[in-house]
Amino acid sequence: GDSVTQMEGPVTLSEEAFLTINCTYTATGYPSLFWYVQYPGEGLQLLLKATKADDKGSNKGFEATYRKETTSFHLEKGSVQVSDSAVYFCALAGGSYIPTFGRGTSLIVHP
Amino acid sequence: DTAVSQTPKYLVTQMGNDKSIKCEQNLGHDTMYWYKQDSKKFLKIMFSYNNKELIINETVPNRFSPKSPDKAHLNLHINSLELGDSAVYFCASSQSHGNSPLHFGNGTRLTVT
Repeated sequence: GDSVTQMEGPVTLSEEAFLTINCTYTATGYPSLFWYVQYPGEGLQLLLKATKADDKGSNKGFEATYRKETTSFHLEKGSVQVSDSAVYFCALAGGSYIPTFGRGTSLIVHP
Repeated sequence: DTAVSQTPKYLVTQMGNDKSIKCEQNLGHDTMYWYKQDSKKFLKIMFSYNNKELIINETVPNRFSPKSPDKAHLNLHINSLELGDSAVYFCASSQSHGNSPLHFGNGTRLTVT
C-alpha cells in the first residue's frame, strides 16, 4: 500500500540554522504531496503542497520539491526561528489516494 | 469562524463507558475523516465519509461507530471504552476531488482510566 517515511526526530537546532527534514514516499502513480505542521495542543495545519513532479511548494520560508525520480519531498528552511518549533508531517493524498501521513518529525529550535 | 470544530476538547472517562465526539465543518467540503493520534504522534486514519456515505473504514474495532447526519457533520461514538483507546482524536475535512489538502480540528484528548 501507499506509505510515507520521514526521518526520526527530534531534530534540535540553534536559531538561524539550516533545516532539512527528509521525506520519501511509496505510491503507485503520482499523488499530491504535502507538509503539515502541528503546534502543541493544536490540529495539523497545511504548510505547503506540490501536485506534480518538479513542482516546488513554499510558504513562510519553508520549501520542498516533488522529486519523482527519488520519490522524495524533503522540507527545507534556510534560517529557523524558535517559533518554528513544532511537529512536521509529510503526507500524500489526492485523487483515489487515502490521505496517508508519515510518523512526524519533532523540531526543537533553541535561541 | 472555526473551520473544523470538534467537541469536547478533553474527555476523561472510565473503562466500559460509552462516549461520543462531535465534529462540524463550515467549509462546504464533501469529505470528512477521523484520525487517531497516539502518544508518539503517529496519525492513523479510522474512517472517511463522502457526502454522508462511508468510503474508508480501516481496521478499527466495532466499538467505534461513525455517524454522518449530513455532509457538514461527522460524529464518532465509542462503546465499552478501553484503556488503549486513550489518544487524541482528530476530525478533518477536504474536497473529494482534485488536490485539496485536509483541514483539521484541534483534536479531542480522550483519557480512559
